[in-house]
Amino acid sequence: EPEVTQTPSHQVTQMGQEVILRCVPISNHLYFYWYRQILGQKVEFLVSFYNNEISEKSEIFDDQFSVERPDGSNFTLKIRSTKLEDSAMYFCASSAQIYREGDYGYTFGSGTRLTVV
Amino acid sequence: GQQVMQIPQYQHVQEGEDFTTYCNSSTTLSNIQWYKQRPGGHPVFLIQLVKSGEVKKQKRLTFQFGEAKKNSSLHITATQTTDVGTYFCAGPDRTYKYIFGTGTRLKVLA
Repeated sequence: EPEVTQTPSHQVTQMGQEVILRCVPISNHLYFYWYRQILGQKVEFLVSFYNNEISEKSEIFDDQFSVERPDGSNFTLKIRSTKLEDSAMYFCASSAQIYREGDYGYTFGSGTRLTVV
Repeated sequence: GQQVMQIPQYQHVQEGEDFTTYCNSSTTLSNIQWYKQRPGGHPVFLIQLVKSGEVKKQKRLTFQFGEAKKNSSLHITATQTTDVGTYFCAGPDRTYKYIFGTGTRLKVLA
């Protein structure tokens, strides 16, 4: 079964440092997302991406965050200057179609646990 | 903004007992999805419900979408230790991204 692949699985970084979280979505999927989950809490939307541009971003996704799809397969989330409160599990997800067009759920990657110290 | 709440937050059951989690949205939903997240794992898509009053079954799991399309439930019959995890409902907002519920964490005692 196709998978969404995320690397690294765990990243520890110093406060103020830049981190890049990487994702390889399912190859024929068109919609890409980043969500995050602070330990034991709900899954929060960060950003959606379609047709090589951001479709929507949440209040959490401020100027310190950016996404890009540099080579048609990778989908990256960059945090420019990490803060302690950025510590969380970051999940990449992709879907084949937006829900209106069919019965498709998101396929999530296994996540990157980011720890900011 | 749209809010999706789930109750209970936690549930401990003895193996073999039934389990139900309830999902309530602050707005009417065009559809609702359910996900399962095993401890230490990632959310895995289970099912999508679209029609008012719709009921779908997957083996011991029964999913229901309310008549008003603002609530949903997931019922597990005769729980097993493999059912352990957090169950999330998720509904699309007006821009079609999915808002996840607060989740119900299920523990099954053998």
